Amino acid sequence: GAVVSQHPSWVICKSGTSVKIECRSLDFQATTMFWYRQFPKQSLMLMATSNEGSKATYEQGVEKDKFLINHASLTLSTLTVTSAHPEDSSFYICSASEMDRGGYNEQFFGPGTRLTVL
Amino acid sequence: DAKTTQPNSMESNEEEPVHLPCNHSTISGTDYIHWYRQLPSQGPEYVIHGLTSNVNNRMASLAIAEDRKSSTLILHRATLRDAAVYYCIVHSSGSARQLTFGSGTQLTVLP
Repeated sequence: GAVVSQHPSWVICKSGTSVKIECRSLDFQATTMFWYRQFPKQSLMLMATSNEGSKATYEQGVEKDKFLINHASLTLSTLTVTSAHPEDSSFYICSASEMDRGGYNEQFFGPGTRLTVL
Repeated sequence: DAKTTQPNSMESNEEEPVHLPCNHSTISGTDYIHWYRQLPSQGPEYVIHGLTSNVNNRMASLAIAEDRKSSTLILHRATLRDAAVYYCIVHSSGSARQLTFGSGTQLTVLP
């Protein structure tokens, strides 16, 4: 199956700093990628939909100025957590689908990035 | 996305079959039934999907009720590596769309 990678797999940063997380589709092109956040013992919550070449669409309650998303190519989307605070500590997961050719579009998930803000 | 209902947790003995149920009574005619699982500290992993007919793959089988209002994921021989949270998700997959995750079922496999 297709592979989605994330980098870094984990990061620890000081409060007030910014952290960038990369999501790459390694062997397919993805016009759309999704960013999820997962707190301990909870399910995944969609944060935003990242569209190649256009602005991301954010879910209600997610601050677009705090969580900057850039989808500059068909294989790369980045999530930047700006001015991170301890409450931003979470497991961030991206997913991607191949370009829509009709029929079923399986989503492939990255391995996740564990962010810890001190 | 149609709402799904799954038990919070289930236990199984190693090498025995496991039947994970999911109710989705508001499913529409174009909705697919997807199953993903998430191992600890990993991203979700696709398991299987179906529309109307039962499906089999190397990981599992999916049994879909005739009225499509429920389905069952079947792991034929559970192993310790199958311990995970299993998510049943129902939505139309005509185009790339985000998945709405419920609380899922935490499967514990006992040696």
